[in-house]
Amino acid sequence: EAGVAQSPRYKIIEKRQSVAFWCNPISGHATLYWYQQILGQGPKLLIQFQNNGVVDDSQLPKDRFSAERLKGVDSTLKIQPAKLEDSAVYLCASSLDAPGRVEETQYFGPGTRLLVL
Amino acid sequence: RKEVEQDPGPFNVPEGATVAFNCTYSNSASQSFFWYRQDCRKEPKLLMSVYSSGNEDGRFTAQLNRASQYISLLIRDSKLSDSATYLCVVNLAPLKLSYVKLTFGGGTRVLVKP
Repeated sequence: EAGVAQSPRYKIIEKRQSVAFWCNPISGHATLYWYQQILGQGPKLLIQFQNNGVVDDSQLPKDRFSAERLKGVDSTLKIQPAKLEDSAVYLCASSLDAPGRVEETQYFGPGTRLLVL
Repeated sequence: RKEVEQDPGPFNVPEGATVAFNCTYSNSASQSFFWYRQDCRKEPKLLMSVYSSGNEDGRFTAQLNRASQYISLLIRDSKLSDSATYLCVVNLAPLKLSYVKLTFGGGTRVLVKP
């Protein structure tokens, strides 16, 4: 079974530039998550989709970050404009949820390492 | 106070020794608990779920203490390959919700040395 795919794997940009990350979850997984992991810290949830609807975006800095999951499959996360403190690994994860059953195990992609100069 | 707190370590462990570490959580309504493992420059992967009665998976034992609001992980007969960061994860979503809300601790780094 193919895992969660993410691209690009690495990105270096200058502050105030824009950047976009792409994620393709495991086939059939209804829930998709974007996390930000700063060096030395645990992953922090940015946004959570269930199918193509947003479940939780309370920690997403909406003045500069946006995400979409059109058609309920793959997703993009955008930062515009980037700041130095956005340097981090952006992890995408997915989980298999079914009506009436919540699946707690999340499967992570390899992440995108972003460096903002 | 952070929702999930861990000792960052590192815990330097001789090969073959036993190491244990805890994680505390602040929300008494937390429903479920997990340990994830993260190797250097890799993504987190589920190590084990933590059940109220405690559970064991080979050399790994997880315990939950709801009264004191902490979970623990014990690794017996440590192997060099156990070197990693261990992330404590708590599901903060109320039971009535149809989704999970996982909150990760900062991780405990374990270094197993020959």
